[in-house]
Amino acid sequence: GQQLNQSPQSMFIQEGEDVSMNCTSSSIFNTWLWYKQEPGEGPVLLIALYKAGELTSNGRLTAQFGITRKDSFLNISASIPSDVGIYFCAAGINKFYFGSGTKLNVKP
Amino acid sequence: DAGVIQSPRHEVTEMGQEVTLRCKPISGHNSLFWYRQTMMRGLELLIYFNNNVPIDDSGMPEDRFSAKMPNASFSTLKIQPSEPRDSAVYFCASSFSAGQETQYFGPGTRLLVL
Repeated sequence: GQQLNQSPQSMFIQEGEDVSMNCTSSSIFNTWLWYKQEPGEGPVLLIALYKAGELTSNGRLTAQFGITRKDSFLNISASIPSDVGIYFCAAGINKFYFGSGTKLNVKP
Repeated sequence: DAGVIQSPRHEVTEMGQEVTLRCKPISGHNSLFWYRQTMMRGLELLIYFNNNVPIDDSGMPEDRFSAKMPNASFSTLKIQPSEPRDSAVYFCASSFSAGQETQYFGPGTRLLVL
């Protein structure tokens, strides 16, 4: 089946640092999504990308839809402790496939 | 507005028992998705419905799993008989359509089969 390769698998950073994570695929997709999941909760949508090359921000979060339509990245600037969680990329055309997640740990 | 509602939030059952998970999508959404999340396999799409009709059930692991959507505001995922390897968190999500529209997830049902 389709696979999204998400990296890194986990990150341990200091509060205030910037974070970058990405997803790649061997297939072309029309939509890329980024979600955050906290313990005991369902994934919450952070950013949705619909056009190749699109760069979208949501507060300290910025995500881009790769020009080849096979990749996307998510940046978090000036991280804070509440950024802790697992971040998932998802991509799809008629249905969505999910990456394996990036577990972010932020040390105060 | 209420988000996707799932019940129960937690379920503990014994192997061989029937398990029914319930989902109420966001009002006005036409598509509903059932996912399973485990440490080993991550988030897997089990089945999705569009306008109450099952469109793709290729992710349903076995005949022991079945899903129904009798109307636009309710869906069930049933496991009969349940097995320990079915232990996972089951999420329901909904969207305006099954195409490019983004999906909104419920809080999940944490299932433990002993």
